[in-house]
Amino acid sequence: AQRVTQPEKLLSVFKGAPVELKCNYSYSGSPELFWYVQYSRQRLQLLLRHISRESIKGFTADLNKGETSFHLKKPFAQEEDSAMYYCALSGRNTGFQKLVFGTGTRLLVSP
Amino acid sequence: DSGVTQTPKHLITATGQRVTLRCSPRSGDLSVYWYQQSLDQGLQFLIHYYNGEERAKGNILERFSAQQFPDLHSELNLSSLELGDSALYFCASSAGGLAGEMSYEQYFGPGTRLTVT
Repeated sequence: AQRVTQPEKLLSVFKGAPVELKCNYSYSGSPELFWYVQYSRQRLQLLLRHISRESIKGFTADLNKGETSFHLKKPFAQEEDSAMYYCALSGRNTGFQKLVFGTGTRLLVSP
Repeated sequence: DSGVTQTPKHLITATGQRVTLRCSPRSGDLSVYWYQQSLDQGLQFLIHYYNGEERAKGNILERFSAQQFPDLHSELNLSSLELGDSALYFCASSAGGLAGEMSYEQYFGPGTRLTVT
């Protein structure tokens, strides 16, 4: 079965500290991995996807097939990064357009 | 603003009732997706429509049904409502969505919060 696990419900850091939001997945084959973000009172939006290999707002994520992980990282957290972050996957097994989401991690960046 | 609109924003109804949630995709998008977000289940995929045709189904209850109309807006119908159906229902849209070898970026609406009392 396809599954996305985000082990932390809440991650609290101070401004300027490094951030790592963990995401592990279970998938037979080659998935596509995504990070979605939801800022307070805003809609869910795509932050980045592994195939684009971009850095968005200073965030990066590397797909590690050996560890089946897609952790989201940022070297220096900013207060405006406080939001809910969801890891998601899709792929041939799920039907490419069906997203399987993790339960999300709330990132709180304090001044 | 992603352009996906959902109405109503909030809906409060009683058990046993039937409600209809509406979604208008971004201009030009042919695919519409419905997701349910509840406290215990997280974000769950319900159903996907592409240009009026159902393309994929997730864990959608038989009491729930959806359709996509010729103008591409979509409606999610929830009937015989139970307390456990209380959740946030999201609609998303994407430009593509036919079976293929890639995923299209999905743009989410603000959601409809359904409360069943």
